[in-house]
Parts: sequence; C-alpha cells; structure tokens
Amino acid sequence: QQPVQSPQAVILREGEDAVINCSSSKALYSVHWYRQKHGEAPVFLMILLKGGEQKGHEKISASFNEKKQQSSLYLTASQLSYSGTYFCGTEMRGTSYGKLTFGQGTILTVHP
Amino acid sequence: GAVVSQHPSWVICKSGTSVKIECRSLDFQATTMFWYRQFPKQSLMLMATSNEGSKATYEQGVEKDKFLINHASLTLSTLTVTSAHPEDSSFYICSATDRTDTGELFFGEGSRLTVL
Repeated sequence: QQPVQSPQAVILREGEDAVINCSSSKALYSVHWYRQKHGEAPVFLMILLKGGEQKGHEKISASFNEKKQQSSLYLTASQLSYSGTYFCGTEMRGTSYGKLTFGQGTILTVHP
Repeated sequence: GAVVSQHPSWVICKSGTSVKIECRSLDFQATTMFWYRQFPKQSLMLMATSNEGSKATYEQGVEKDKFLINHASLTLSTLTVTSAHPEDSSFYICSATDRTDTGELFFGEGSRLTVL
C-alpha cells in the first residue's frame, strides 16, 4: 500500500526550513528518501533501517519512528538546488528485499 | 559505489511495435531487479520484480503478456514493451540492490518511451 506524504507541495525562500512527512499503514523494514529533478531519475538521499534512527548529511536529515510507521525528512537552510520532488520509498516487512513502494511525492520549490 | 545502467535513455517508436529496455548492474551481481513506471507528475509505480533464472513477479494490474521481463543473467534484466500504444508512453526505471549492509537501492538513469 502506498505511503502517504505530506505536504503535497512546499514553497520556500532560500535559507528557510522544511519538513516532509511519510506515513505508512503497514509495518516498515526501512524508509528510503529520494529527490528527483524534472526529467531525471531519482537521486538517493538516505536510508533509515532502524526505528528511532536518525541520519543526516550537510543540511538534510531524516528520522524514522518505527512504532508510528512514519518518517520525516528535514531540510534546513534550504538552497536553490534543493528544488525538486521528494519521494519516500518504504520497504515493508515480509516483502522482497529492496522492493520499494513510493509515496506520491512532495514538490519543493526554493526561490531566491 | 554500485552502478546500475539503463539503455536506451530514450526511445521513440510507432504504435504496434515492440521496444526492449535493458538494465545492467555494472559492478555487482543482482539476483533481483525491480522495474518501475512513472507517468508525468506522478510517483514511481512498481511494475514487477525481476528474478534471475525464474519468472518475474508482476504487480496487480500489470499485464505480464504486454510487459515481458527476462532476467537471464546476474547482471542483466530486460523489459520488452510489446505492441506498444501511446498510453504506454512513460518513464521506465529499473533498480537493484547489491545487498550490502547499507541497504541502498541503486536506480538506473531511466528510459523515456514515446509511442507515436
């Protein structure tokens, strides 16, 4: 079942912060986050494998609440290059290793 | 890092013809690969799981006779869109994992199919 992402779209000015949420109705094994620019393949951001895990690099980080079956992606001090569509991909317990179901996406637009 | 390559990156064909898309894992062996389809402004939808040496597993609503998947070796899976029609025009992306501890899934560059 497709995870639900919120919000559907975010508009920011450079330097502002944003949070994108991803919720699943099923128990999760892992959550993957990707960013996709128009006409290109998705680019891997990070994967969270354990409940309570938090990861980050530079100004993009994420958390995974296994109990609540949800994950959040945090973008701080946004840059123009952050613009794109963000997808969470969830890997559910009991499914094929590496089989992801993607959320509907969150369109992030960063203005100067 | 692991690399997955797709070919062709774009293809235009006439309605009724068949098109083959290749997905290769360049520096690792992939017993399982996944094929996704993405229509404009939509999410990636899983079409099928490609299993090396056995039949692919298709998601509900995906016609197995129309989207033929062959995974003949540990580094190559192919998707053939048979008797393509304009509604099959889409962005097709494959993915694979090298099953390391990172759990990262590697995506190909994608193949954009346009059926006239």
